[in-house]
Amino acid sequence: ILNVEQSPQSLHVQEGDSTNFTCSFPSSNFYALHWYRWETAKSPEALFVMTLNGDEKKKGRISATLNTKEGYSYLYIKGSQPEDSATYLCLARGNEKLTFGTGTRLTIIP
Amino acid sequence: DVKVTQSSRYLVKRTGEKVFLECVQDMDHENMFWYRQDPGLGLRLIYFSYDVKMKEKGDIPEGYSVSREKKERFSLILESASTNQTSMYLCASSLLRQGPEKLFFGSGTQLSVL
Repeated sequence: ILNVEQSPQSLHVQEGDSTNFTCSFPSSNFYALHWYRWETAKSPEALFVMTLNGDEKKKGRISATLNTKEGYSYLYIKGSQPEDSATYLCLARGNEKLTFGTGTRLTIIP
Repeated sequence: DVKVTQSSRYLVKRTGEKVFLECVQDMDHENMFWYRQDPGLGLRLIYFSYDVKMKEKGDIPEGYSVSREKKERFSLILESASTNQTSMYLCASSLLRQGPEKLFFGSGTQLSVL
């Protein structure tokens, strides 16, 4: 089992503020790192897939970085909006196993 | 867009029953996965398959089996349901066995075993 950890477990952020959270994973046998957003009553949807050390991806107000040497990825949300409320999951892909972190539950306070 | 369809959104079964959870994807994906989601534990991999009639154990396969007779369909079987199998079950698929591509998820089946 890959040990994939996310922090914090939950987060309350005022609307308009920026925030970030972390995913850490084993740096050995690394293949890819995914971020997913999971809104209540919906299916998880992919935000980013990153494979190379130093990768940075951006989608609107959300961006992510990857450090494969030290085994972590950050997800950033700029200017949080109520629709950003969701659970954010990271997934680390090793040789063939795919392991999710336990997620960061983000609540945006209007 | 890829569509991953799970046959039931909610299911209530009794202890000892045999339960089938069905998942179908429509984009010729090689990989298919079954996860369960429990509060505080995240998504845990039960079984996955990268080809017809192939299956691999995930992290928590005990009490489950799977079947992949056709490429588009991946079934999760609870041979004798138990109360500790009450959970949200999510099916997912991805394009290539060795690719880094993202997963596409079904809408989930909330199974309650009484």
